[in-house]
Amino acid sequence: ELKVEQNPLFLSMQEGKNYTIYCNYSTTSDRLYWYRQDPGKSLESLFVLLSNGAVKQEGRLMASLDTKARLSTLHITAAVHDLSATYFCAVDPNRDDKIIFGKGTRLHILP
Amino acid sequence: ETGVTQTPRHLVMGMTNKKSLKCEQHLGHNAMYWYKQSAKKPLELMFVYNFKEQTENNSVPSRFSPECPNSSHLFLHLHTLQPEDSALYLCASSQDETGVSPEQYFGPGTRLTVT
Repeated sequence: ELKVEQNPLFLSMQEGKNYTIYCNYSTTSDRLYWYRQDPGKSLESLFVLLSNGAVKQEGRLMASLDTKARLSTLHITAAVHDLSATYFCAVDPNRDDKIIFGKGTRLHILP
Repeated sequence: ETGVTQTPRHLVMGMTNKKSLKCEQHLGHNAMYWYKQSAKKPLELMFVYNFKEQTENNSVPSRFSPECPNSSHLFLHLHTLQPEDSALYLCASSQDETGVSPEQYFGPGTRLTVT
């Protein structure tokens, strides 16, 4: 059974700090997605990573993919309060649009 | 209206009721999805429609019945639900083409409470 594990599941951090969220998955996949969800809201696509070594950056967020290690990271640089949300990673190992999500990392950034 | 819309946004129903959730996408996509989001559980894919053909998740109980009359509309028909079916039901769509990443766009969800 495919497992997608995120670490940590909950993170409280100060503004201005850097941190990394990890996403491990248990089977081969070269499609990995990061989504953001604000409380009471829907999911917003952040990044789509499609190959080993892929790196994408948007503002203070940077995502990378290592398909050999089955690991993706979401790095937060100089966090600001507006980044408080739950972040989900998801994989599509069979390339059939049947995406498997992790449990999410709830990020709380303290002003 | 743009993006993916869902109605109703909130629904309370008894276990003997029959109701339907509606999703509409305005993005010209050819694939649509139903997900269930429960507290403390990962987002679960329920159904996939690709070019209006259904790929059903075998673990979804028969009290959930999807319908996709065209590529822009998706319904989830509900009957004789259980309290544990209370959750946020999310609809998503994507454009499935060879060589193109099928990034999924999500609707706002329907918060369902079964009493």
